[in-house]
Amino acid sequence: KNQVEQSPQSLIILEGKNCTLQCNYTVSPFSNLRWYKQDTGRGPVSLTIMTFSENTKSNGRYTATLDADTKQSSLHITASQLSDSASYICVVSAGGNNDMRFGAGTRLTVKP
Amino acid sequence: KAGVTQTPRYLIKTRGQQVTLSCSPISGHRSVSWYQQTPGQGLQFLFEYFSETQRNKGNFPGRFSGRQFSNSRSEMNVSTLELGDSALYLCASSVDHYEQYFGPGTRLTVT
Repeated sequence: KNQVEQSPQSLIILEGKNCTLQCNYTVSPFSNLRWYKQDTGRGPVSLTIMTFSENTKSNGRYTATLDADTKQSSLHITASQLSDSASYICVVSAGGNNDMRFGAGTRLTVKP
Repeated sequence: KAGVTQTPRYLIKTRGQQVTLSCSPISGHRSVSWYQQTPGQGLQFLFEYFSETQRNKGNFPGRFSGRQFSNSRSEMNVSTLELGDSALYLCASSVDHYEQYFGPGTRLTVT
């Protein structure tokens, strides 16, 4: 079983709408959690990085939350744009050696 | 500042051949990590090099190897290619493995 589970697997929304992507993890001990955006055919781009003590971090229209007690994170996208169409990957690092575990990603499609 | 560059961008090889991929990190970054991305398995960590030394290694067979040069450029080699090695190979550089910057990837197709 993957230690990082993302939901939904795919999502279609209309331009201008908000959406929330979920990431649940069982990785332990927890070091940090990252959200990446990956456009088709490109490398992932970091959106946010959160450590244990951080429960919210924003990057423009992207806001990530972390609940280390329930081992859940979410990525909220506000006022979606066509350019938000991409895969969003949750990555959790464990332990002192930053052993990274990857979620399978959520494929977001924003339609006009 | 120039980003991470990977060469070649696309590659087609035949089963049994070997391949070498190259990654040039952002200037000043000493950590280079390699990842394999496939539709079925998603992103998987291959290995990380820091100052010419392999610091971490993922769960891949010995056919996958890498090295890092004194200028931090890194190469990844896959020997005796299998069909299942077809994937997007991503390289990421960072100062200390924390904030990673990914390159565009090399799309390897094994026929």
